[in-house]
Order: sequence, then C-alpha cells, then structure tokens
Amino acid sequence: KQEVTQIPAALSVPEGENLVLNCSFTDSAIYNLQWFRQDPGKGLTSLLLIQSSQREQTSGRLNASLDKSSGRSTLYIAASQPGDSATYLCAVRHSFNKFYFGSGTKLNVKP
Amino acid sequence: GAGVSQSPSNKVTEKGKDVELRCDPISGHTALYWYRQSLGQGLEFLIYFQGNSAPDKSGLPSDRFSAERTGGSVSTLTIQRTQQEDSAVYLCASSLFNQPQHFGDGTRLSIL
Repeated sequence: KQEVTQIPAALSVPEGENLVLNCSFTDSAIYNLQWFRQDPGKGLTSLLLIQSSQREQTSGRLNASLDKSSGRSTLYIAASQPGDSATYLCAVRHSFNKFYFGSGTKLNVKP
Repeated sequence: GAGVSQSPSNKVTEKGKDVELRCDPISGHTALYWYRQSLGQGLEFLIYFQGNSAPDKSGLPSDRFSAERTGGSVSTLTIQRTQQEDSAVYLCASSLFNQPQHFGDGTRLSIL
C-alpha cells in the first residue's frame, strides 16, 4: 500500500522568506503527484500537478519538483506572503483508481 | 456552474438514519472522486468514477456506504444506518482524465 508523508507538520515563517515543503511516498509507481492548499472550512484548491514523466512544474511563486526514484516531491514557495497561510497537501495517484494524500503541512506566514 | 457544488453543506442526523450527499461536478469533467476528511486526520479516498466505467468500490469503508453517478454527471454518496464514526467532512472532486482535481467545499456530516 502507498504511504504519503509530509514534513514538517507545521511551519511558521516571517513574511518574505522562501520556503520548502516536503512530500515523500513509498511506492514510486505513480501516475502523477498533485499539490493542493486547503483553507479552514473549505475544500482543496489545486496548485500544481506533475505527471510521472515530468520533473517539475511552476506557477507564479510556486515550483514543485518530482523525483520518482527516491519517492520525493518538494513544493518551493518564493517570497512568502501572509495570504499563503493555509494547509498544504500532496497527493499521489498510485494506480488508475487509487489516490493517497499526505496529512499536510500547516503553514503560517507572519506579517 | 463554475465549480464543483456539494449539498447539503451541513447535515446533522441521528445515529441509525440514512443520509444522502450530493455532488454536482464541473460540466464536461469525466472523472468524479469522493473523499472523507475526519477531524485531525488526512483525506481518505472513498471512490472514483471515470466515464462509464464501473467504479472500484474497495475504498468504501463498509457496506453501509454506496455511491452512484447518474448519466455521467451528478453523484450521490449514501450512508445507511449511520454511526457516530461516520461524522466527518465528505469532499467531492471532479476532473478531466488524469488532470488536476477540482474540489467542492464539502458536506460536514455530524451524527448525534
């Protein structure tokens, strides 16, 4: 069974800092990996999706990388802002119809 | 609509009652997903519909749970004889095949 782990569980940084969130998975046979953010009381918002054949994806201040062989992905957030405060989740599509989520990293960006 | 719509947004019911949760996906999305998020826990995948293919129901937590998707669009998740451990937020998402999932805001289910 696929297991997805996210470290750290929580992170507090001052505004303007660059930061890295980590996601690891135990089985490298994945279709894709997706990063989401979740605001309190809300559903998830898709940030970036990396297909298994890709190494990274970028959107604005966000960059996600994927190293399938080592079972790792990182989400890099540049020049963090208070509006980035949320819980960040990674999810892997392990097979055609199985999806596994990490437990998330709760980010607080202090003004 | 512009996004995934779930109803009701909140549901409180007594233990032993049946509940139906509804999901309206984004128009044209062939894939539809149901997840459960319990307090303090991560998202648990329940079931996935892709086009007209029969879904894999092995992720459903018990035989009290069932899901349907009519006409490749609206989906309902039904929980029979609810138990207190069924209390959670139930999230629905939709997507084009192998593309980013778009989530609704969820149904918060409370079993008294």
